[in-house]
Amino acid sequence: GQNIDQPTEMTATEGAIVQINCTYQTSGFNGLFWYQQHAGEAPTFLSYNVLDGLEEKGRFSSFLSRSKGYSYLLLKELQMKDSASYLCASSDSNYQLIWGAGTKLIIKP
Amino acid sequence: GAVVSQHPSWVICKSGTSVKIECRSLDFQATTMFWYRQFPKQSLMLMATSNEGSKATYEQGVEKDKFLINHASLTLSTLTVTSAHPEDSSFYICSVLLGTSGYNEQFFGPGTRLTVL
Repeated sequence: GQNIDQPTEMTATEGAIVQINCTYQTSGFNGLFWYQQHAGEAPTFLSYNVLDGLEEKGRFSSFLSRSKGYSYLLLKELQMKDSASYLCASSDSNYQLIWGAGTKLIIKP
Repeated sequence: GAVVSQHPSWVICKSGTSVKIECRSLDFQATTMFWYRQFPKQSLMLMATSNEGSKATYEQGVEKDKFLINHASLTLSTLTVTSAHPEDSSFYICSVLLGTSGYNEQFFGPGTRLTVL
């Protein structure tokens, strides 16, 4: 079957580092996406991984292990504006996205 | 990337009326567009895949006669919610698919918030 799991909510402190984990089971896996969604807005693209390893993009990094069906999004030097939901989504053989329920990240001063 | 617009950004309507939502790909010819619905504090739910020039493919549980999708051109797809009811109140988001093999990314429109009274 197709399944995406990620934590419902996480809390972190401004300036700190947080890692949001995602596990997936997808038929015909074609890559793993991370999106950021602020309340009342549409998702915006953060990262895409299709090969094993770490992709770094500024303060955000994303990691993928295909053999383990596992990914994480790493956010460094957290800012208050990073408070949002982070959606993990895997791409299947038809290029459709299978979405996780999202992780609500709360940043505290 | 691709720039995607939606119109209207929000709409309030009476129960029983129909509402049309437009999704436009402004700088990219989109063969495939997706329509999502998102209820408060929930993730995106794919409603249908819209392919230019052919009938949309609906996800299980989505009534095709209630949610009419027309993808008549490579830059425009429309979703019409027919005989809307309060339970149809939701955030409707479209996306366009960029790329058909290897790297494929969806670019999202800003969403349309529908409130049915």
